[in-house]
Amino acid sequence: GENVEQHPSTLSVQEGDSAVIKCTYSDSASNYFPWYKQELGKGPQLIIDIRSNVGEKKDQRIAVTLNKTAKHFSLHITETQPEDSAVYFCAASISGYSSASKIIFGSGTRLSIRP
Amino acid sequence: DAGVIQSPRHEVTEMGQEVTLRCKPISGHDYLFWYRQTMMRGLELLIYFNNNVPIDDSGMPEDRFSAKMPNASFSTLKIQPSEPRDSAVYFCASRATGTVGDTGELFFGEGSRLTVL
Repeated sequence: GENVEQHPSTLSVQEGDSAVIKCTYSDSASNYFPWYKQELGKGPQLIIDIRSNVGEKKDQRIAVTLNKTAKHFSLHITETQPEDSAVYFCAASISGYSSASKIIFGSGTRLSIRP
Repeated sequence: DAGVIQSPRHEVTEMGQEVTLRCKPISGHDYLFWYRQTMMRGLELLIYFNNNVPIDDSGMPEDRFSAKMPNASFSTLKIQPSEPRDSAVYFCASRATGTVGDTGELFFGEGSRLTVL
């Protein structure tokens, strides 16, 4: 089955600097890679996702990149702000319009933004 | 829509007692997932349903765990008997698929924090 590894487990950056979180996956059939943000006391919430037919996707200060050959994908947050402090999870699954499989999560990265 | 609703939010029980966690998915969603979150193991998928039918329960740790989905708007996760190592936050999530524009997004509830003494 799919296995997702995520690094680092904790990350502290100065406000305004960039943060990068990296993940690898094992199943070459996986084609959908979402990123979730979990704030204290809440459930995870989708912030951005990428499908295997795309190499990069941006949404304001957040970008994701995907290298299918190496089975790597990364989350990049630029100009970090205090509200970016949270736990971030990467995930992988096989997904299509008519079906969905289980979504497997990485172990999470606790991001802290220093003022 | 109110989102995914879980109850109870917090449960403290003694070892050996039965625990039942409840979930109401978002109306119209045809997939429901149960995850367990701990510091050591992160977010583990326990079981998921499609149209109320269990599809994959390979993540259920032991026979002490069982899950049901009697209808499209309700699911339960039961632990009997409970043990201290079951202490965790249990999340329910739902998603809709098979529609144009499907984003694949999982919508999580706020979780049920279980403490077994």
